[in-house]
Amino acid sequence: AQSVSQHNHHVILSEAASLELGCNYSYGGTVNLFWYVQYPGQHLQLLLKYFSGDPLVKGIKGFEAEFIKSKFSFNLRKPSVQWSDTAEYFCAVNANNAGNMLTFGGGTRLMVKP
Amino acid sequence: EPEVTQTPSHQVTQMGQEVILRCVPISNHLYFYWYRQILGQKVEFLVSFYNNEISEKSEIFDDQFSVERPDGSNFTLKIRSTKLEDSAMYFCASSGDHRKLIDEQFFGPGTRLTVL
Repeated sequence: AQSVSQHNHHVILSEAASLELGCNYSYGGTVNLFWYVQYPGQHLQLLLKYFSGDPLVKGIKGFEAEFIKSKFSFNLRKPSVQWSDTAEYFCAVNANNAGNMLTFGGGTRLMVKP
Repeated sequence: EPEVTQTPSHQVTQMGQEVILRCVPISNHLYFYWYRQILGQKVEFLVSFYNNEISEKSEIFDDQFSVERPDGSNFTLKIRSTKLEDSAMYFCASSGDHRKLIDEQFFGPGTRLTVL
C-alpha cells in the first residue's frame, strides 16, 4: 500500500522567507500528486497538482512543486511567504492502480510571523 | 463558485447510536468520497462512489458503514452503531466530470463527530 510522509510537522517562518515543505511517497508505479492547503477555519483547497509532463508545476498564490521521480518526492516551494500563508499543508498521492482514492501525508502546520 | 457542503458541522452522539452525515457534492460531479481525520492523525480515505455504487473502499469502511445517494443531490455516510473510536472529522469530497477520471477532489468543510 502506498504511504506519504511529510517530514516537517511544524514550520515557523518570518514574512519574506523562502519555504520548502518536503513530501515523499512510497509507491513504485505511476502516481498523481497533489498539495492541498487548509487555512484556519476553512476547508481543504487544492494548491497544485501533477499528473504528467513538466515535473515543475506552478499553483495558486505563488506556490510551485517539483516532482522528482528518482527520489519519490514532490516538495512544495514558495520563494517569499506572506502572513496569509499561515495554514496547514497536505501532500496527497493517488496511485494509478488505486482508483481515485487519495493517500494523505500527515500535514505541515506553517506559521508565518508578520 | 460551486462548493461541497456538509451538515451538520458538529454531531454529538452516544456510543451505539446510528448517525447519518450529509453532504451535497458539486452538482455536475460524478465521483463522491468520504474521508476522515481522527484528531492528531492523517486524513484517511474511507470510500468512493460512482454511478450509484461503491468503487473503492478502505479497510476502515467495514459493515458498520454505508453510503447512499438517496436523491440527485445528497450523498450520505451512515454509521450504524457508533464506537468511541469513530470520533473524528469526516470530510466529503467530489470530483470529475465525464471527461476526466482522475482530477482534483473538492472537499467540504467537514462534520466533527463526537461519540460519547
